[in-house]
Amino acid sequence: GENVEQHPSTLSVQEGDSAVIKCTYSDSASNYFPWYKQELGKRPQLIIDIRSNVGEKKDQRIAVTLNKTAKHFSLHITETQPEDSAVYFCAATSGTYKYIFGTGTRLKVLA
Amino acid sequence: GAVVSQHPSRVICKSGTSVKIECRSLDFQATTMFWYRQFPKQSLMLMATSNEGSKATYEQGVEKDKFLINHASLTLSTLTVTSAHPEDSSFYICSAKDRVAEAFFGQGTRLTVV
Repeated sequence: GENVEQHPSTLSVQEGDSAVIKCTYSDSASNYFPWYKQELGKRPQLIIDIRSNVGEKKDQRIAVTLNKTAKHFSLHITETQPEDSAVYFCAATSGTYKYIFGTGTRLKVLA
Repeated sequence: GAVVSQHPSRVICKSGTSVKIECRSLDFQATTMFWYRQFPKQSLMLMATSNEGSKATYEQGVEKDKFLINHASLTLSTLTVTSAHPEDSSFYICSAKDRVAEAFFGQGTRLTVV
């Protein structure tokens, strides 16, 4: 089955700097890769996603890149703000939306 | 995005009792619903997948007799934690999808077994 690894587990950046979180997956059939932001005690919220037919996608300060050959995808947050502080999860699925989540990255943006 | 409502948001129960958690898709028909469990500071772990009108498929290591899942309609799935014990205390989250859209998450249920 699918296995998703996520790094780093914790990340601290200064406000205004960039943050990068990386994930690798094992199942070459996976074709949809969402990223979720979860604040303490709340549900995960989809922030960006990418499908396997696209190499990069950007939405304002957030971007995701996908390397299908290497089976890894990354989340990039530029000009970080304190409200970006949260736990971020990557996930992979082969289209059934049976998400296999990464272990999460706790991002702290220092003011 | 679509709305998935999960109820209750918090529940405290005594050890040995059963607890039912509801997951409803409010504005779309959910052909498939997923149930996840999240322990503190850990990731979301898939427990089971349920398709409307059929038996749920449980992930390895999840006891089907302990975590009863019913998906009797296209808008409602329930998870019943039977004979709950303190180690079952966790954050339970459902997600629902229709045939073409992404999956949307409920707000989660924090279960505390005392």
